Amino acid sequence: AQTVTQSQPEMSVQEAETVTLSCTYDTSESDYYLFWYKQPPSRQMILVIRQEAYKQQNATENRFSVNFQKAAKSFSLKISDSQLGDAAMYFCAYRSADVTLPLGWYALNFGKGTSLLVTP
Amino acid sequence: NAGVTQTPKFQVLKTGQSMTLQCAQDMNHEYMSWYRQDPGMGLRLIHYSVGAGITDQGEVPNGYNVSRSTTEDFPLRLLSAAPSQTSVYFCATGLVSGGEETQYFGPGTRLLVL
Repeated sequence: AQTVTQSQPEMSVQEAETVTLSCTYDTSESDYYLFWYKQPPSRQMILVIRQEAYKQQNATENRFSVNFQKAAKSFSLKISDSQLGDAAMYFCAYRSADVTLPLGWYALNFGKGTSLLVTP
Repeated sequence: NAGVTQTPKFQVLKTGQSMTLQCAQDMNHEYMSWYRQDPGMGLRLIHYSVGAGITDQGEVPNGYNVSRSTTEDFPLRLLSAAPSQTSVYFCATGLVSGGEETQYFGPGTRLLVL
C-alpha cells in the first residue's frame, strides 16, 4: 500500500491568516488521486479538495488550495483567511487510478492527520 | 436521499460479546468500505466491497467479518469483541464506474469494549 505522511501533528493559525498543511506520499504509480479531508469535532469526514495526478493545474476550492508537486510527491493544503470553523483534524489521502490492480485499488490510504487550531 | 447512514452511533460491549455495525447507503454505489480510526493512527481500512457478493480484506481485517448481500447494505460483524477493537468506525461508499472519484463517509460509530 502507498504510504502517506503528514509530518505536522499539530498546527496553529490566527484568524484571517494563512496556514499550509504538509503531505507527502510514496508511490510508483503515475496516475492517482489525492484528497484532503476535514474532520471537525463532530467526527464527520468532509471532503475539502481533490487533485488528479495527471492534471498539472493545482486544485482550488474557495479559500482552500493545494500545491501539488508530482515529482517531489508533495501535496500541501493552503487555507487562506482562516476562520474559527476551520479548526479540525485534516487528513491527506491517496487513491490509485489503476483499474487493472486487484480489487483494492479504490481504497483510500490516509495519513495520520494534522490537528489545526485557529485562534481569535 | 439520506446518503450514508451508520447505526448505532455509540455502543459499549463487554469482552467476548458479538455485535454488528450497520452501514446503509441510498446512492447506488458499488464500492463500500469500513475504516477504523484510532488516536494517532489515522483511518485504516478493515474490509471493502465492490458489489453484492464481492468482498475483500483491507489493512486490519482480523477480528472482523463482512458480507454484502445487497447494494445498499454492508454490515461489519465483530464475533468476539476485544478491548483492542475500541475505536471509531467509519463506513465509506463510492461510485466506481462513471468517473466519480469522491468517496462519502457515514457519521461514524463509536465502540467501547470493556
